[in-house]
Amino acid sequence: DAGITQSPRHKVTETGTPVTLRCHQTENHRYMYWYRQDPGHGLRLIHYSYGVKDTDKGEVSDGYSVSRSKTEDFLLTLESATSSQTSVYFCAISELTSGGFTDTQYFGPGTRLTVL
Amino acid sequence: AQSVTQLGSHVSVSEGALVLLRCNYSSSVPPYLFWYVQYPNQGLQLLLKYTSAATLVKGINGFEAEFKKSETSFHLTKPSAHMSDAAEYFCAVSVKLGGSQGNLIFGKGTKLSVKP
Repeated sequence: DAGITQSPRHKVTETGTPVTLRCHQTENHRYMYWYRQDPGHGLRLIHYSYGVKDTDKGEVSDGYSVSRSKTEDFLLTLESATSSQTSVYFCAISELTSGGFTDTQYFGPGTRLTVL
Repeated sequence: AQSVTQLGSHVSVSEGALVLLRCNYSSSVPPYLFWYVQYPNQGLQLLLKYTSAATLVKGINGFEAEFKKSETSFHLTKPSAHMSDAAEYFCAVSVKLGGSQGNLIFGKGTKLSVKP
């Protein structure tokens, strides 16, 4: 298994509070991603990173920010949590193929976040 | 832009029966196609990957998938279902970094149930 951990694994918080989720990898992969998974929507990309301090928005980035100060860590912050952000959050890592396409993504175990 | 369609959000088979999970991608030929499996309360795990080296791809746990360009399909099959195959399965296509909202475009998933 790829060395990817997520913390915390479960969190319950209240509307309006900031929340930070952490993804840590030991594989030295350049690319890291944050997804959310909701019933009926599959996986949706929130943000991704293509290097230290290099990040970009995904499909559902509103209300989220990210930071990557080290290769191994990718943080996702909900600036002011809302009930619509109740979800399961997955981190993934990958490299690129020589042609610039995304190669296999390896996923962490997920964080279940509940916003009351 | 690339897209992935999984036909059938739920599929139910009897133990020992053929498993067929359908995936169609949009018309431009992708360099990489993936099938992932997700067991309850876990992250996604790679089942198999198509890289254009061979149209029939064998994966873990007895699964295989065949790439058919003429049908723009990449269906997942297993000759004989086991109870342990009950999970959700995701088809995904690789895109170039920055070329789309998601670096792997995922289908919405098919939940497989296996009846004794």
